[in-house]
Amino acid sequence: EAQVTQNPRYLITVTGKKLTVTCSQNMNHEYMSWYRQDPGLGLRQIYYSMNVEVTDKGDVPEGYKVSRKEKRNFPLILESPSPNQTSLYFCASSLSGTENTGELFFGEGSRLTVL
Amino acid sequence: AQSVTQPDIHITVSEGASLELRCNYSYGATPYLFWYVQSPGQGLQLLLKYFSGDTLVQGIKGFEAEFKRSQSSFNLRKPSVHWSDAAEYFCAVATDYNFNKFYFGSGTKLNVKP
Repeated sequence: EAQVTQNPRYLITVTGKKLTVTCSQNMNHEYMSWYRQDPGLGLRQIYYSMNVEVTDKGDVPEGYKVSRKEKRNFPLILESPSPNQTSLYFCASSLSGTENTGELFFGEGSRLTVL
Repeated sequence: AQSVTQPDIHITVSEGASLELRCNYSYGATPYLFWYVQSPGQGLQLLLKYFSGDTLVQGIKGFEAEFKRSQSSFNLRKPSVHWSDAAEYFCAVATDYNFNKFYFGSGTKLNVKP
């Protein structure tokens, strides 16, 4: 089954404790992206990656890091989480280049709480 | 700066009634427009999209949307709502044909009364 898998789905952590949210897709997509969803603000793009070793900032990259060492994986790293990073996080992927239809395929989300 | 506005935070309609969800965008060039639906506890799923051509586009689950350049709008419609349509709906715009950067509205939560 074609899917985008995020882990963990739920996490409660404390301020300053480094954490990684993993994202993996099995559709051979070149493009991957991270969003955070907050009430009243919709989804805001954190980082995106057009292909392996190519990443760029979205609208709200502060406090986050990403890496793209393999095509299928795009982990989101919070080096020193703070309470304002409490949010629902979504990973998404899509084709790129001439095959890109613009459709994003989303994971089921990771709800992160930072105390 | 690009922005997407969904003026209605919550909408309640009766099952079988028609539905229109509003979306306005702010972008200088021709936008690439999308509507996504998010069911409770799920990720987002694409309903439909508009890039060019016929301004009325059809999507999945009986939804359609109309692009009106003069009003900078891309409203989502459905003639007869089903209880399973209860979800949150997001309008989004991509600002280039590479679809690298997307801007989403704040969402409209749809409740369906029996």
